[in-house]
Amino acid sequence: AQSVSQHNHHVILSEAASLELGCNYSYGGTVNLFWYVQYPGQHLQLLLKYFSGDPLVKGIKGFEAEFIKSKFSFNLRKPSVQWSDTAEYFCAVLGSGGTSYGKLTFGQGTILTVHP
Amino acid sequence: DGGITQSPKYLFRKEGQNVTLSCEQNLNHDAMYWYRQDPGQGLRLIYYSQIVNDFQKGDIAEGYSVSREKKESFPLTVTSAQKNPTAFYLCASSIGGRDLYTEAFFGQGTRLTVV
Repeated sequence: AQSVSQHNHHVILSEAASLELGCNYSYGGTVNLFWYVQYPGQHLQLLLKYFSGDPLVKGIKGFEAEFIKSKFSFNLRKPSVQWSDTAEYFCAVLGSGGTSYGKLTFGQGTILTVHP
Repeated sequence: DGGITQSPKYLFRKEGQNVTLSCEQNLNHDAMYWYRQDPGQGLRLIYYSQIVNDFQKGDIAEGYSVSREKKESFPLTVTSAQKNPTAFYLCASSIGGRDLYTEAFFGQGTRLTVV
C-alpha cells in the first residue's frame, strides 16, 4: 500500500539554524515525490518536487530535498531558517501505475516553529 | 481569475443530516481530489478522480460519496454514516491525464461542524 511517514510532528528552531525534516515513503513503483507547505491561514503550496533525474532537487525559498532510493526517503533541508518559514510541511507521494495511478498520498505533516 | 473554489468556507449541520461540499475548478484540470485534514493526522485522501465519470476510493472513503459529472466539478457528500464528520475538508486538482507529473493545487477548504 502507498503511504508516507513524517517522523517529527513539531520542530522548534531558532533563526539561522539548519533544518532537516524526515520523510519516508512506501510505494512499489516509480516514485513521484513532493513537499508542500501551508503557511498560517494560507493554501497549501508546492515547495519542490521530484520525478526523475538528479536526486537532489531545489525548490522555492532556499529549500532542497534529497531522494535516496535505498532508504525510501525524501528529506527536506534548508541551511538557515527564517522566522517566515514557520508553517506546516507535508511530504507526499504520487502513484504512477496500476491501481495507484494518480493517487496522491500525504504524510502527517510537520509543524515548524522558528523563533526570532 | 483561475483557481479552485470551495464553498462555503464554514458549514454547520445537525447530526444525521447529509451535507454536500462544493469544489469547482476553472483550470481545465483532469484530476481532482478530496482530503480531510485533522490536527496531527495530515491530509487523508477521501476520493480522487482522474477523469470525468470515473473516481476511486481513497484511504478513508467510508461515509463519503462523490460524483464527477463535469470536468470542473467534484462535489463531496458527507453522509450520516460518517462517524466523525467534523473536520476541515480540502479539495485539490492537477493536470492529470498524460501530464501526471505535475503538482496539485488546493482550494481554501471548508470547515464542517456537525452538532
